[in-house]
Amino acid sequence: EADIYQTPRYLVIGTGKKITLECSQTMGHDKMYWYQQDPGMELHLIHYSYGVNSTEKGDLSSESTVSRIRTEHFPLTLESARPSHTSQYLCASSEPGTHYGYTFGSGTRLTVV
Amino acid sequence: QKEVEQNSGPLSVPEGAIASLNCTYSDRVSQSFFWYRQYSGKSPELIMSIYSNGDKEDGRFTAQLNKASQYVSLLIRDSQPSDSATYLCAVILNRDDKIIFGKGTRLHILP
Repeated sequence: EADIYQTPRYLVIGTGKKITLECSQTMGHDKMYWYQQDPGMELHLIHYSYGVNSTEKGDLSSESTVSRIRTEHFPLTLESARPSHTSQYLCASSEPGTHYGYTFGSGTRLTVV
Repeated sequence: QKEVEQNSGPLSVPEGAIASLNCTYSDRVSQSFFWYRQYSGKSPELIMSIYSNGDKEDGRFTAQLNKASQYVSLLIRDSQPSDSATYLCAVILNRDDKIIFGKGTRLHILP
């Protein structure tokens, strides 16, 4: 009964293509996050947003960009995909304050060939 | 020193035994602590949160927090093969309200 949705679930795409990974949540959360995770490895925060028109880069440098035009929608875009972008991308959201954990979407597994 | 540290494992525990997962954190004034479970190929799932010193129990799970020692642990009683997963310790540091995740401990429950 996830309230945060990511599409597509799997994506295989050629080098140089532009791609957008979608993330939407129905919980009205202001805070949203994008993480990158390789198999068996740790989570890396790449972007986050604390509300509409607010976006910040995370701890891991990423060639991707994000936008936050609506509260419920936080898409991630790669202008020119490369094989090094192959990874799992996880979107999360949380309520305000410091007592709430993150709710994660199911993730998008991206393969760039 | 990393902000949130966990032993990467794997930690192997016989079925029915107690699994004990440990985590230390660097920020003495951290206020909120979480445990996530992540199955292979899946996204993390929040299973426990704890904010005060002491124990918090939820079913077979018990989270323990000791702020003086900057230590948080997760106990899983009556371990089941379905508990085999990676467990991520997560801490909200005081300087902002982003969660910092540990690298995770891989847990194997042996049938």
